[in-house]
Amino acid sequence: TQLLEQSPQFLSIQEGENLTVYCNSSSVFSSLQWYRQEPGEGPVLLVTVVTGGEVKKLKRLTFQFGDARKDSSLHITAAQPGDTGLYLCAGARDGNNRKLIWGLGTSLAVNP
Amino acid sequence: EAGVAQSPRYKIIEKRQSVAFWCNPISGHATLYWYQQILGQGPKLLIQFQNNGVVDDSQLPKDRFSAERLKGVDSTLKIQPAKLEDSAVYLCASSLGLAGGYEQYFGPGTRLTVT
Repeated sequence: TQLLEQSPQFLSIQEGENLTVYCNSSSVFSSLQWYRQEPGEGPVLLVTVVTGGEVKKLKRLTFQFGDARKDSSLHITAAQPGDTGLYLCAGARDGNNRKLIWGLGTSLAVNP
Repeated sequence: EAGVAQSPRYKIIEKRQSVAFWCNPISGHATLYWYQQILGQGPKLLIQFQNNGVVDDSQLPKDRFSAERLKGVDSTLKIQPAKLEDSAVYLCASSLGLAGGYEQYFGPGTRLTVT
């Protein structure tokens, strides 16, 4: 059973376009993290969202945590080739020994 | 601050052979994780250590996989004997543990190909 569903699984867009990636669950998380992984490297943490309804911005990336803390979205404005990579969401639950529940990822390709 | 170190970066072996991977976490990080990642998918937790104790190894195929973190610092993951389906990237990550948040810091991974 996949507790965190990510959509779309694959996305190929042109430079300058906007996109949104979704991370959904039927379970409540105490916090949710977004990571980006480039080919040949390990995932790198982009952001952690903690409060329901929270919105965080990181340059052209906007992250939102759902009010019920069951889902999250990542919106990229004016995508650039450097945004290419695998975007992973991971949810945390209190008392879970610092174990994260991982989504399967969204593979994004931004073409110049 | 040095990041998580892993070696080797690449390994090619034949099925039924054995292989070992090494990980050195960020200094001071109590928790160490080993993940298996199939190309283009999310990481699958194999084993989690808190200092030198095992917290979770529920998804570790114990008939062929083993891991240790004897001194609570670096760790090794071994596969013996390897199967074709073990071809994947093996990621090591570390975090502060119970004293910190959930943020995990990853090494570059070891890409294993079993032929």
